[in-house]
Amino acid sequence: RKEVEQDPGPFNVPEGATVAFNCTYSNSASQSFFWYRQDCRKEPKLLMSVYSSGNEDGRFTAQLNRASQYISLLIRDSKLSDSATYLCVVKPSNTGKLIFGQGTTLQVKP
Amino acid sequence: NAGVMQNPRHLVRRRGQEARLRCSPMKGHSHVYWYRQLPEEGLKFMVYLQKENIIDESGMPKERFSAEFPKEGPSILRIQQVVRGDSAAYFCASSLQGRDDNEQFFGPGTRLTVL
Repeated sequence: RKEVEQDPGPFNVPEGATVAFNCTYSNSASQSFFWYRQDCRKEPKLLMSVYSSGNEDGRFTAQLNRASQYISLLIRDSKLSDSATYLCVVKPSNTGKLIFGQGTTLQVKP
Repeated sequence: NAGVMQNPRHLVRRRGQEARLRCSPMKGHSHVYWYRQLPEEGLKFMVYLQKENIIDESGMPKERFSAEFPKEGPSILRIQQVVRGDSAAYFCASSLQGRDDNEQFFGPGTRLTVL
């Protein structure tokens, strides 16, 4: 079983749509959680950290359920520029390494 | 303030040659991480270094791969006797500290192609 699992997609949505991505992780000792964005053949960039209380940044909302070991990302009012691969990332405690999911590809169409 | 720098951006090697990938962290960052991304796969952690020390090399293949981060100069990921399966994008990241809440900033990557 992969440490971080995501539905690879692709998700094809029209502009303005709301889309949700889910992710599960297997290591209950995971301490920190993130969503990164990766554009084609580019480096990953931090989109947002994920907290148990849930957090929002503009059109993006992230949720964490520690009991279910489940992380989500909601994107409202999708823009063409949101087209990318979204990477679910966990960081176990007392370690420097990030553990990446395979990524979910989003394609927003006009 | 320059971000994480990696060079070369593209590297072509024939089987059996050596590949040297360099990473200069962001200014003031002393923690460096190397990740590998095989085609159509997610990033996989390889090694975590702090100046002159290897902190965690649990993701490094046992043979042919080595990494260093000397007191002066960039971090180097070295792959000896490359094979076709080493073809991948190699990303370096750096952080100010190694704590859980410290963001890792990624460089643009080195794309290694083994012929």
